Amino acid sequence: GDSVTQTEGLVTLTEGLPVMLNCTYQSTYSPFLFWYVQHLNEAPKLLLKSFTDNKRPEHQGFHATLHKSSSSFHLQKSSAQLSDSALYYCALRANYGNEKITFGAGTKLTIKP
Amino acid sequence: EAAVTQSPRNKVAVTGGKVTLSCNQTNNHNNMYWYRQDTGHGLRLIHYSYGAGSTEKGDIPDGYKASRPSQENFSLILELATPSQTSVYFCASGEDWGGYAEQFFGPGTRLTVL
Repeated sequence: GDSVTQTEGLVTLTEGLPVMLNCTYQSTYSPFLFWYVQHLNEAPKLLLKSFTDNKRPEHQGFHATLHKSSSSFHLQKSSAQLSDSALYYCALRANYGNEKITFGAGTKLTIKP
Repeated sequence: EAAVTQSPRNKVAVTGGKVTLSCNQTNNHNNMYWYRQDTGHGLRLIHYSYGAGSTEKGDIPDGYKASRPSQENFSLILELATPSQTSVYFCASGEDWGGYAEQFFGPGTRLTVL
């Protein structure tokens, strides 16, 4: 079946340093990949989604590149801000049939001054 | 503004009791979903629906039932609640156009089963 792996459960960084959150996936068919973000006491919401035409999605300074050869969709930002502290989920939607999205276990990102 | 709302926001139940979590959406989306969120497990899909009258099993349906009486409403039912069902439950609505899917989540319901 489809699966998403986020290897880091907790990431702590100093403000201004670059951010990279890892995401790898397994899927029988070429899937669509997403990043969702959940701030404290809020609902998850979509941050980024992959494109089929190799464009690099960007939002709020974050970007991610879908690498089919390595089955990865890592989330990156050049300079972390305190407001980036949140729970980040990588998610996958298989490119066939049923409309389920499979979420990874999540990475809690904490940015310190 | 389109929204997904959930009720109750907090619930304390006793083991063996019946619990109903309700979700309402004004997005006019066909699809609705119920997830539970647990540390270390992320968001796990319990049940989902393609429209009024339909329910489908997700990845962890055991111990849960779902009901979709209308486009706007989707309920999650725990007939015999157990302490292992203590969690935060999120409802979501969404559309899916060939994979360009986006789900819009409600604020969550914190359920404690004693």
